[in-house]
Amino acid sequence: QVQLKETGPGLVQPTQTLSITCTVSGFSLTSYYMQWVRQTPGKGLEWMGFIRSGGSTEYNSEFKSRLSISRDTSKNQVFLKMNSLKTEDTGVYYCARESGFDYWGQGVMVTVSS
Amino acid sequence: DIQMTQSPSFLSASVGDRVTINCKASQNINRYLNWYQQKLGEAPKLLIYNANSLQTGIPSRFSGSGSGTDFTLTISSLQPEDVATYFCLQHNSWPFTFGSGTKLEIK
Repeated sequence: QVQLKETGPGLVQPTQTLSITCTVSGFSLTSYYMQWVRQTPGKGLEWMGFIRSGGSTEYNSEFKSRLSISRDTSKNQVFLKMNSLKTEDTGVYYCARESGFDYWGQGVMVTVSS
Repeated sequence: DIQMTQSPSFLSASVGDRVTINCKASQNINRYLNWYQQKLGEAPKLLIYNANSLQTGIPSRFSGSGSGTDFTLTISSLQPEDVATYFCLQHNSWPFTFGSGTKLEIK
């Protein structure tokens, strides 16, 4: 069955870079878009960006300058990297499948604090 | 960006009640509106896609309606397991945007 699971560092210091991995099973990354969404106390749910089945990306302009999404299809993994972290980036980060966001991971909590 | 205004923020209803939750888009999003259920600590679950299509495996007491800017999620007969937060998502155009959520509890 379709499964998505995010893994990440938990705690990141301000100004540092966040790296999160989404590992998927039950489908191929070459057939589906993969989305990144986050949920923060300040702004609620925010779409961050996606990587298309062909590998190209689109980003929310809110994050564009500091966000990167990539993937390793051989490992069934999608990656989120965001630099210059601030305390306001504290929240839960989710990956989701397809342009219709049909399946989501459970999310990974990220705290930005010194 | 398209703003999604969701109401109410909080809803308390009795088992068996008919419950409605609304999302209003700041501009036309056609039918590109999904509804999700999120229970504490769990992944969001897709209930309704493209405004009125029931996702496979979702009970038929859930339904969606609307097009353009106004959308409604209806639970025809509230069950105890429906306690959750519900939110909408527009995927008509990016940046995709979400409603602020409705927390549903049983009276």
